[in-house]
Amino acid sequence: DAGVTQSPTHLIKTRGQQVTLRCSPKSGHDTVSWYQQALGQGPQFIFQYYEEEERQRGNFPDRFSGHQFPNYSSELNVNALLLGDSALYLCASGTGGSYEQYFGPGTRLTVT
Amino acid sequence: KQEVTQIPAALSVPEGENLVLNCSFTDSAIYNLQWFRQDPGKGLTSLLLIQSSQREQTSGRLNASLDKSSGRSTLYIAASQPGDSATYLCAVGGGSYIPTFGRGTSLIVHP
Repeated sequence: DAGVTQSPTHLIKTRGQQVTLRCSPKSGHDTVSWYQQALGQGPQFIFQYYEEEERQRGNFPDRFSGHQFPNYSSELNVNALLLGDSALYLCASGTGGSYEQYFGPGTRLTVT
Repeated sequence: KQEVTQIPAALSVPEGENLVLNCSFTDSAIYNLQWFRQDPGKGLTSLLLIQSSQREQTSGRLNASLDKSSGRSTLYIAASQPGDSATYLCAVGGGSYIPTFGRGTSLIVHP
């Protein structure tokens, strides 16, 4: 059984560009959460998707948007990239009624 | 707003030592507390999950305790090994299904 998978592993973009990151949840899981982890910091919650709807959102600007598909996979989109968006982006999956989350390996985004 | 603090920020010990990592949180109205391990540049691996009704959880050489009233949790690592070198993160779960993370303790165990 595959765990949470994320693609791509690494990504380099230029300021002002747009980026899309992808996540496939662990089998049997129906919620997907996205986190941003800057170097030396703990993960910061971006948003969570459940039943294809955004259920919760953290303190991130509208440049950060997402989507969940019927197969529960999810995308994170970031528009108008800033240098400060450089970070490790983590995806976590779980079930709708559980607080326990399983994390993927992350996507390292570098904005130059 | 929940705030989570982890002390110490970094720790370097010789192999074989028993370790205690600390996590404190400001709002005691929590649903659970989870300890994670993170290797450099990698994702998070769950180590132990303590529900709010529990006092501790054990897995192998790891033991995590929870004291909600004082807003504290400790992760005890027995007989540390070089393979334990990683960053250890504490995450507190509240009513919104969203965990609040600390900044982690960076552990180095040298042979």
